[in-house]
Amino acid sequence: AQSVTQLGSHVSVSEGALVLLRCNYSSSVPPYLFWYVQYPNQGLQLLLKYTTGATLVKGINGFEAEFKKSETSFHLTKPSAHMSDAAEYFCAVSDLRQSKLTFGKGITLSVRP
Amino acid sequence: GAGVSQSPSNKVTEKGKDVELRCDPISGHTALYWYRQSLGQGLEFLIYFQGNSAPDKSGLPSDRFSAERTGGSVSTLTIQRTQQEDSAVYLCASSFARGPMGTGELFFGEGSRLTVL
Repeated sequence: AQSVTQLGSHVSVSEGALVLLRCNYSSSVPPYLFWYVQYPNQGLQLLLKYTTGATLVKGINGFEAEFKKSETSFHLTKPSAHMSDAAEYFCAVSDLRQSKLTFGKGITLSVRP
Repeated sequence: GAGVSQSPSNKVTEKGKDVELRCDPISGHTALYWYRQSLGQGLEFLIYFQGNSAPDKSGLPSDRFSAERTGGSVSTLTIQRTQQEDSAVYLCASSFARGPMGTGELFFGEGSRLTVL
Protein backbone atom coordinates (compact mmCIF):
# COMPACT_ATOMS: atom_id res chain seq x y z
CA ALA A 1 0.00 0.00 0.00
CA GLN A 2 1.08 3.52 -0.63
CA SER A 3 0.72 6.48 1.66
CA VAL A 4 1.62 10.14 1.92
CA THR A 5 2.43 12.13 5.03
CA GLN A 6 2.15 15.89 5.10
CA LEU A 7 3.22 17.06 8.53
CA GLY A 8 1.21 19.87 10.02
CA SER A 9 -1.99 21.28 8.62
CA HIS A 10 -1.07 24.94 8.30
CA VAL A 11 1.98 26.94 7.27
CA SER A 12 2.20 30.73 7.44
CA VAL A 13 4.91 32.77 5.72
CA SER A 14 5.51 36.43 5.00
CA GLU A 15 5.23 37.71 1.47
CA GLY A 16 8.64 37.34 -0.17
CA ALA A 17 9.77 34.58 2.17
CA LEU A 18 10.71 31.03 1.23
CA VAL A 19 7.88 28.53 1.01
CA LEU A 20 8.64 24.96 2.10
CA LEU A 21 5.87 22.38 2.24
CA ARG A 22 6.95 18.92 3.30
CA CYS A 23 5.83 15.61 1.86
CA ASN A 24 7.03 12.12 2.70
CA TYR A 25 5.74 9.03 0.99
CA SER A 26 5.70 5.29 1.45
CA SER A 27 5.76 3.00 -1.56
CA SER A 28 7.00 -0.53 -2.21
CA VAL A 29 7.71 0.27 -5.85
CA PRO A 30 9.18 3.33 -7.57
CA PRO A 31 6.67 6.09 -7.00
CA TYR A 32 5.16 8.71 -9.20
CA LEU A 33 4.72 11.88 -7.16
CA PHE A 34 2.49 14.90 -7.59
CA TRP A 35 1.65 18.20 -5.98
CA TYR A 36 -1.81 19.67 -6.48
CA VAL A 37 -3.10 23.07 -5.37
CA GLN A 38 -6.65 24.01 -4.42
CA TYR A 39 -7.52 27.70 -4.36
CA PRO A 40 -10.58 28.73 -2.31
CA ASN A 41 -13.83 27.46 -3.80
CA GLN A 42 -12.07 25.88 -6.75
CA GLY A 43 -11.15 22.39 -7.85
CA LEU A 44 -7.67 20.95 -7.57
CA GLN A 45 -5.10 21.67 -10.26
CA LEU A 46 -1.74 20.10 -10.95
CA LEU A 47 1.32 22.08 -9.82
CA LEU A 48 4.00 19.60 -10.84
CA LYS A 49 4.81 15.91 -11.09
CA TYR A 50 7.74 13.50 -10.90
CA THR A 51 7.65 10.28 -12.88
CA THR A 52 11.16 9.39 -14.00
CA GLY A 53 14.35 11.22 -14.94
CA ALA A 54 15.45 14.48 -13.38
CA THR A 55 14.75 14.53 -9.67
CA LEU A 56 14.29 18.32 -9.50
CA VAL A 57 10.96 19.14 -11.04
CA LYS A 58 9.73 22.61 -11.91
CA GLY A 59 6.05 23.47 -11.98
CA ILE A 60 3.74 26.38 -12.49
CA ASN A 61 3.86 29.68 -10.59
CA GLY A 62 7.53 29.30 -9.66
CA PHE A 63 7.14 26.16 -7.57
CA GLU A 64 9.56 23.27 -7.68
CA ALA A 65 10.03 19.97 -5.86
CA GLU A 66 12.88 17.53 -5.48
CA PHE A 67 12.47 13.76 -5.34
CA LYS A 68 14.85 12.29 -2.75
CA LYS A 69 14.61 8.53 -2.75
CA SER A 70 16.94 8.11 0.24
CA GLU A 71 14.68 10.34 2.32
CA THR A 72 11.39 9.20 0.70
CA SER A 73 10.56 12.86 0.34
CA PHE A 74 9.12 15.19 -2.27
CA HIS A 75 9.12 18.62 -0.61
CA LEU A 76 7.61 21.60 -2.42
CA THR A 77 9.46 24.92 -2.44
CA LYS A 78 9.16 28.42 -3.83
CA PRO A 79 11.88 31.03 -3.26
CA SER A 80 9.55 33.99 -2.73
CA ALA A 81 5.92 33.75 -1.62
CA HIS A 82 3.20 35.85 -3.19
CA MET A 83 -0.16 36.67 -1.66
CA SER A 84 -1.76 34.73 -4.50
CA ASP A 85 -0.05 31.53 -3.31
CA ALA A 86 -2.46 31.26 -0.37
CA ALA A 87 -4.24 27.95 -0.93
CA GLU A 88 -4.34 24.32 0.14
CA TYR A 89 -1.59 22.07 -1.19
CA PHE A 90 -1.85 18.31 -1.58
CA CYS A 91 0.93 15.83 -2.20
CA ALA A 92 -0.04 12.58 -3.92
CA VAL A 93 1.62 9.29 -4.86
CA SER A 94 0.88 6.58 -7.39
CA ASP A 95 2.76 3.86 -9.28
CA LEU A 96 2.64 2.12 -12.61
CA ARG A 97 0.31 -0.58 -11.36
CA GLN A 98 -2.32 1.63 -9.77
CA SER A 99 -4.78 3.86 -11.43
CA LYS A 100 -5.57 5.99 -8.41
CA LEU A 101 -3.67 8.74 -6.69
CA THR A 102 -3.28 8.49 -2.93
CA PHE A 103 -3.39 11.96 -1.42
CA GLY A 104 -2.00 13.41 1.77
CA LYS A 105 -4.22 15.38 4.14
CA GLY A 106 -3.16 18.68 2.66
CA ILE A 107 -1.45 21.78 4.01
CA THR A 108 -3.03 25.23 4.09
CA LEU A 109 -0.57 27.95 3.14
CA SER A 110 -1.21 31.48 4.41
CA VAL A 111 0.83 34.44 3.18
CA ARG A 112 1.15 37.50 5.42
CA PRO A 113 1.60 40.97 3.89
CA GLY B 1 -17.99 24.35 -20.63
CA ALA B 2 -14.55 22.90 -21.12
CA GLY B 3 -13.98 21.68 -17.58
CA VAL B 4 -15.33 18.91 -15.38
CA SER B 5 -18.84 19.82 -14.33
CA GLN B 6 -20.46 18.59 -11.11
CA SER B 7 -23.98 19.00 -9.82
CA PRO B 8 -25.44 19.93 -7.48
CA SER B 9 -22.78 22.22 -6.07
CA ASN B 10 -24.49 22.05 -2.69
CA LYS B 11 -26.88 19.47 -1.29
CA VAL B 12 -28.48 19.42 2.14
CA THR B 13 -30.39 16.28 3.03
CA GLU B 14 -31.84 14.52 6.02
CA LYS B 15 -30.32 11.44 7.54
CA GLY B 16 -31.68 8.31 5.89
CA LYS B 17 -32.43 9.89 2.52
CA ASP B 18 -30.76 8.86 -0.73
CA VAL B 19 -28.73 11.34 -2.78
CA GLU B 20 -27.34 11.37 -6.30
CA LEU B 21 -24.34 13.40 -7.36
CA ARG B 22 -23.55 13.93 -11.02
CA CYS B 23 -20.28 14.38 -12.87
CA ASP B 24 -19.83 15.47 -16.46
CA PRO B 25 -16.19 14.84 -17.45
CA ILE B 26 -14.19 16.67 -20.07
CA SER B 27 -15.18 15.49 -23.53
CA GLY B 28 -12.87 12.74 -24.78
CA HIS B 29 -11.50 11.81 -21.35
CA THR B 30 -11.64 8.06 -20.91
CA ALA B 31 -10.87 7.89 -17.20
CA LEU B 32 -13.14 9.18 -14.42
CA TYR B 33 -12.54 9.25 -10.68
CA TRP B 34 -14.55 10.06 -7.57
CA TYR B 35 -12.85 11.30 -4.41
CA ARG B 36 -14.27 12.43 -1.08
CA GLN B 37 -12.77 15.43 0.72
CA SER B 38 -13.47 15.77 4.41
CA LEU B 39 -12.16 18.50 6.65
CA GLY B 40 -8.68 17.59 7.86
CA GLN B 41 -8.77 14.22 6.10
CA GLY B 42 -7.43 15.04 2.68
CA LEU B 43 -8.82 13.32 -0.38
CA GLU B 44 -10.13 9.78 -0.09
CA PHE B 45 -10.31 7.69 -3.27
CA LEU B 46 -13.73 6.20 -3.88
CA ILE B 47 -13.98 4.70 -7.37
CA TYR B 48 -12.33 4.78 -10.80
CA PHE B 49 -13.73 4.13 -14.29
CA GLN B 50 -11.61 3.52 -17.38
CA GLY B 51 -13.35 3.00 -20.70
CA ASN B 52 -15.29 -0.24 -20.78
CA SER B 53 -13.22 -1.94 -18.10
CA ALA B 54 -14.71 -3.00 -14.79
CA PRO B 55 -14.50 -0.09 -12.36
CA ASP B 56 -12.07 -0.08 -9.45
CA LYS B 57 -14.46 0.15 -6.49
CA SER B 58 -11.84 -0.50 -3.84
CA GLY B 59 -12.36 2.86 -2.14
CA LEU B 60 -16.12 2.78 -1.63
CA PRO B 61 -16.59 2.95 2.16
CA SER B 62 -19.74 0.84 2.39
CA ASP B 63 -22.41 -0.84 0.31
CA ARG B 64 -24.51 2.31 0.67
CA PHE B 65 -22.22 3.88 -1.91
CA SER B 66 -22.43 3.05 -5.60
CA ALA B 67 -21.52 4.71 -8.87
CA GLU B 68 -22.14 4.19 -12.52
CA ARG B 69 -20.91 5.70 -15.71
CA THR B 70 -23.24 5.66 -18.66
CA GLY B 71 -21.98 5.62 -22.24
CA GLY B 72 -18.45 6.21 -21.11
CA SER B 73 -19.27 9.78 -20.20
CA VAL B 74 -21.51 11.08 -17.40
CA SER B 75 -21.17 9.46 -13.98
CA THR B 76 -23.54 9.37 -11.04
CA LEU B 77 -22.47 8.67 -7.45
CA THR B 78 -25.35 7.44 -5.31
CA ILE B 79 -25.38 7.36 -1.54
CA GLN B 80 -28.26 5.44 0.00
CA ARG B 81 -29.61 5.95 3.51
CA THR B 82 -27.25 8.86 4.14
CA GLN B 83 -25.54 9.22 7.50
CA GLN B 84 -24.06 12.33 9.10
CA GLU B 85 -20.54 10.98 8.55
CA ASP B 86 -21.22 11.12 4.80
CA SER B 87 -21.08 14.92 4.98
CA ALA B 88 -18.14 15.98 2.81
CA VAL B 89 -17.22 17.45 -0.54
CA TYR B 90 -17.38 14.86 -3.32
CA LEU B 91 -14.90 15.57 -6.09
CA CYS B 92 -14.94 14.16 -9.58
CA ALA B 93 -11.90 14.13 -11.86
CA SER B 94 -11.21 12.96 -15.38
CA SER B 95 -8.12 12.30 -17.48
CA PHE B 96 -7.17 11.29 -21.01
CA ALA B 97 -5.63 7.98 -20.28
CA ARG B 98 -5.58 5.14 -17.81
CA GLY B 99 -4.41 6.37 -14.44
CA PRO B 100 -2.53 9.57 -13.86
CA MET B 101 0.44 8.33 -15.88
CA GLY B 102 -0.91 9.19 -19.29
CA THR B 103 -0.72 12.93 -19.10
CA GLY B 104 0.15 12.96 -15.42
CA GLU B 105 -2.82 15.14 -14.73
CA LEU B 106 -6.28 14.68 -13.35
CA PHE B 107 -8.72 17.49 -14.11
CA PHE B 108 -10.96 18.11 -11.12
CA GLY B 109 -14.43 19.58 -10.87
CA GLU B 110 -15.32 22.04 -8.14
CA GLY B 111 -17.10 19.39 -6.14
CA SER B 112 -20.51 18.72 -4.65
CA ARG B 113 -20.78 19.70 -0.99
CA LEU B 114 -23.06 17.28 0.84
CA THR B 115 -24.47 18.09 4.26
CA VAL B 116 -26.46 15.42 6.08
CA LEU B 117 -28.55 16.74 8.94
